[in-house]
Amino acid sequence: DAGVIQSPRHEVTEMGQEVTLRCKPISGHDYLFWYRQTMMRGLELLIYFNNNVPIDDSGMPEDRFSAKMPNASFSTLKIQPSEPRDSAVYFCASTAWRDQPQHFGDGTRLSIL
Amino acid sequence: EDQVTQSPEALRLQEGESSSLNCSYTVSGLRGLFWYRQDPGKGPEFLFTLYSAGEEKEKERLKATLTKKESFLHITAPKPEDSATYLCAAFDSSASKIIFGSGTRLSIRP
Repeated sequence: DAGVIQSPRHEVTEMGQEVTLRCKPISGHDYLFWYRQTMMRGLELLIYFNNNVPIDDSGMPEDRFSAKMPNASFSTLKIQPSEPRDSAVYFCASTAWRDQPQHFGDGTRLSIL
Repeated sequence: EDQVTQSPEALRLQEGESSSLNCSYTVSGLRGLFWYRQDPGKGPEFLFTLYSAGEEKEKERLKATLTKKESFLHITAPKPEDSATYLCAAFDSSASKIIFGSGTRLSIRP
């Protein structure tokens, strides 16, 4: 069974540009999570979806960040406009039940110059 | 405030030298605790789930235990391939989100 798939693996762009990160969860998983990982703050939850509906976006840092899940097999995290402090590794994870372990993708390493 | 703290931040061991990693938590209504392993350039990989104090889980050279205030990941006779960052994460019964610790970077020298 394929795991969580994220794209791109690496993204380098200039400040002010729009960035779109993509995620395909494991088939049959009803929960999808977006995380950000930095050396300073570790792994932080940004937002999670249940059955394609955003449930908790309290971790989204500001209005420049938005996330969508148009269907059960695809989600995007968008940053517009991007800033250097957004540089981090962004992970997507999915799980079938809320008290089961999450399966992570290999992340997108984002660098904003 | 719910919090998960891991110690030490980094640990260097000689191959075969056993040790333990600590994960202390203050999470009201704890439902369970996960341990993950993360290799450089990869996402966290699930190792164990612990649900109640006194519970133990084992996998190869790793054993995870849980008390009412903390969890330990014991590593017995480690090998260089056990080098990774180990993350613990606690979750409560009322929320779907989980709180991750900052991790312990484990390095095993041959």
